Amino acid sequence: GENVEQHPSTLSVQEGDSAVIKCTYSDSASNYFPWYKQELGKRPQLIIDIRSNVGEKKDQRIAVTLNKTAKHFSLHITETQPEDSAVYFCAAGTGANSKLTFGKGITLSVRP
Amino acid sequence: DTEVTQTPKHLVMGMTNKKSLKCEQHMGHRAMYWYKQKAKKPPELMFVYSYEKLSINESVPSRFSPECPNSSLLNLHLHALQPEDSALYLCASSQMGLGNQPQHFGDGTRLSIL
Repeated sequence: GENVEQHPSTLSVQEGDSAVIKCTYSDSASNYFPWYKQELGKRPQLIIDIRSNVGEKKDQRIAVTLNKTAKHFSLHITETQPEDSAVYFCAAGTGANSKLTFGKGITLSVRP
Repeated sequence: DTEVTQTPKHLVMGMTNKKSLKCEQHMGHRAMYWYKQKAKKPPELMFVYSYEKLSINESVPSRFSPECPNSSLLNLHLHALQPEDSALYLCASSQMGLGNQPQHFGDGTRLSIL
């Protein structure tokens, strides 16, 4: 089955700096890669996703890049703000079944 | 605003109680999911319903019993739970039951077993 690795497990940045979170996946059949943000005590919120036919996708301050050859994808957050502090989960999925495989999550802290 | 609504938000129950968690979505999605989440861990898939039929049971103990009365509603019936079952229970939905579609989560039910 699919295995999604997420590194590092924690990341601390200064407000205004950029943050990059990386994930790797094992199943070359995976073709959908969402990112979820989960604030303390709240639900996982889908913030951006990318499909395997696209190399990069942007939405305001966040972007996701995908390297199919290396089987890794990354979340980029520019001009970080304290409200970006949360746990971020990457995931991978395929149309062959109903499952999303999640990474272990990374805790991002943005220092004011 | 959350388009997947879950009730109750919090639930405390003893190990001999029977209770139910409820989930509702009005996005016209045909797949609904139950996840269990422990603190600072990723959501762990329990069940998937696709077109109102159970398509995945991730070897969940029988003390958890899912039910899908219609395409908008999903229940999780609880009986004789153990303290280790204390967790956040999340419901999610997607357009169809495919792993390459966005899943939208509800706010969850925080369950505590005494």
